[in-house]
Amino acid sequence: DAKTTQPNSMESNEEEPVHLPCNHSTISGTDYIHWYRQLPSQGPEYVIHGLTSNVNNRMASLAIAEDRKSSTLILHRATLRDAAVYYCILKTSYDKVIFGPGTSLSVIP
Amino acid sequence: KAGVTQTPRYLIKTRGQQVTLSCSPISGHRSVSWYQQTPGQGLQFLFEYFSETQRNKGNFPGRFSGRQFSNSRSEMNVSTLELGDSALYLCASSLNQGLREKLFFGSGTQLSVL
Repeated sequence: DAKTTQPNSMESNEEEPVHLPCNHSTISGTDYIHWYRQLPSQGPEYVIHGLTSNVNNRMASLAIAEDRKSSTLILHRATLRDAAVYYCILKTSYDKVIFGPGTSLSVIP
Repeated sequence: KAGVTQTPRYLIKTRGQQVTLSCSPISGHRSVSWYQQTPGQGLQFLFEYFSETQRNKGNFPGRFSGRQFSNSRSEMNVSTLELGDSALYLCASSLNQGLREKLFFGSGTQLSVL
């Protein structure tokens, strides 16, 4: 079964870029990489997703390694509102959703 | 547009009882999926429904079941509750089924089993 690993926690200074890594070495060719974040007492919120190419949206960028065994979520300028748990997720060809353990991001003013 | 609504927000049950949780998806969304979140196991996929049919199921015992109605609303049922079933149960909806579909989550139902 596919699996993802993430660092347990990370810190960033406000207004600095943040790079959140995720390893998914068992990813299959058609599995999509998604990132969600979860604030306290709320359900996860969609951030970004991709398959092979790097992706950008208004919230973040997603950099996917050429072999697809890892990806990095990039927040270009961290704000205090970005403090959350960030989940790297695989949506697999068997329509299963596999969550990583999540990285708790702290933003220091 | 209203978001995903889950009811009730909190629930307390005792071992051996059964429980039904409800999820109303975003209007127009046809796929509903359920997840269990615990401090120890993190987020785990339970099952997904699309057009009233279960399309996929995670690795949970048969005590966990669900259904989807013609208006896309979904219910999840857990029978013979165990202490380990205490968790936050999250529901998510998406427009359609598929690997690229964004999931929109509700705030969850916090279930405590005593």
